[in-house]
This record gives sequence, structure tokens and C-alpha cells, in this order.
Amino acid sequence: GAVVSQHPSWVICKSGTSVKIECRSLDFQATTMFWYRQFPKQSLMLMATSNEGSKATYEQGVEKDKFLINHASLTLSTLTVTSAHPEDSSFYICSAGKTSGSGSNEQFFGPGTRLTVL
Amino acid sequence: GQNIDQPTEMTATEGAIVQINCTYQTSGFNGLFWYQQHAGEAPTFLSYNVLDGLEEKGRFSSFLSRSKGYSYLLLKELQMKDSASYLCAVKDSNYQLIWGAGTKLIIKP
Repeated sequence: GAVVSQHPSWVICKSGTSVKIECRSLDFQATTMFWYRQFPKQSLMLMATSNEGSKATYEQGVEKDKFLINHASLTLSTLTVTSAHPEDSSFYICSAGKTSGSGSNEQFFGPGTRLTVL
Repeated sequence: GQNIDQPTEMTATEGAIVQINCTYQTSGFNGLFWYQQHAGEAPTFLSYNVLDGLEEKGRFSSFLSRSKGYSYLLLKELQMKDSASYLCAVKDSNYQLIWGAGTKLIIKP
């Protein structure tokens, strides 16, 4: 299988604080991990692509100084939301890329982290 | 620009068949994915098409026509648990996943 875990599954924090979300590929090595954000009733929005050992590539409109991504190993990527504000409240989902036998390079998603900023 | 279109919402009856269409216009094509997402959960992988034709996997099948920029997801013998959003995503020439907005499928008894 290809299991991706995220921690925490939900978090409530005060405005102005920072929150770190971990994404782990449990049974495979993922050279690439992706971070998404999803607001209620909206589609997934890619925030950044994270490659192990190098700087993340951020999508247009995503502040790299606010959403810090670290991909220090082939099984762990972290997203830190710095100085969180209520508008950052969202469902944050990571995925890890794995190339299957058919060459499909599937993405396997973590269960998501629901962030609520008060 | 890059664009993926799929219906916003569809309703079907338990036990029936439903087809969810997806049309795309992207810069390059390196495969099309279908994902299922239940409310409040992360998406789960359903299918992958990179060549034209039909891929069957149990009750779910996915079809691709690259010349028409068109795919569909076919769900047979619908069950109540199939009520979810179904997301179409295309990998473009940069191997970036471009997501559709998703189709909310409502199954009625």
C-alpha cells in the first residue's frame, strides 16, 4: 500500500500564533510532496510542491514567508502556518507522489488537517 | 489558460448507473485522474488514464479521449456510500496537477 499520515488531524489556535503540520509517507519514499488547501465547498487548491532536500515551489498568490515548508527527508514534509489569522482557517491536505508499476505517478493523500484560527 | 470543466452536482438513484463527464483544456497532457472525496475527508484515488479508451475497475470505469479533451467516470450499481464529490484532475506538460472543481453526487434511495 501507500499510506500517508498527517498530524495533527485538527488544531485550534489563537490569532498570531504559528502552527506546524506534519505529513509522513509511512511505507514508501516520496521525493515529492504536495500541500493543498481546501475551503468549504471548494476544490483543492495547490499551495506548493515540496522536493526533498530543496526549496519548495510555491503557487502564485501563496506567501512563502507565511507558509513555511520543510522537506528534510524522503518520508517527512512539514508545513508551518506562521502568524495565523482567521482567514487561514481551512482544511490543509498533503499528498505524496509515488510512481506505480503502470507509471501513473499517483498522489496519495493524507487525511487532512483542519485548522481553525480564533 | 488551463481549464477543467465538470458538472457541479448530479443526482442518481441507488442501484442505477451514473456518468460524470470531465472536459479539459491544458497545456500538454500527461494523464488524467479521478478522485473521490467524502465530505470532510481527503481525496482517495479512483483511476488513472493516459491512453485513449476505457479502464474498468470493479463498479467504477473511466474513459479518456485525448483528441476531444474528454473523460468520464462511470459508476455502476450505485450504493448510498457513493455519495461524495468526484474530482477530475489532469497532469499538464510540467507534470502539475490541474484540478476540476468537483462534481457532488447525491444518491437517493
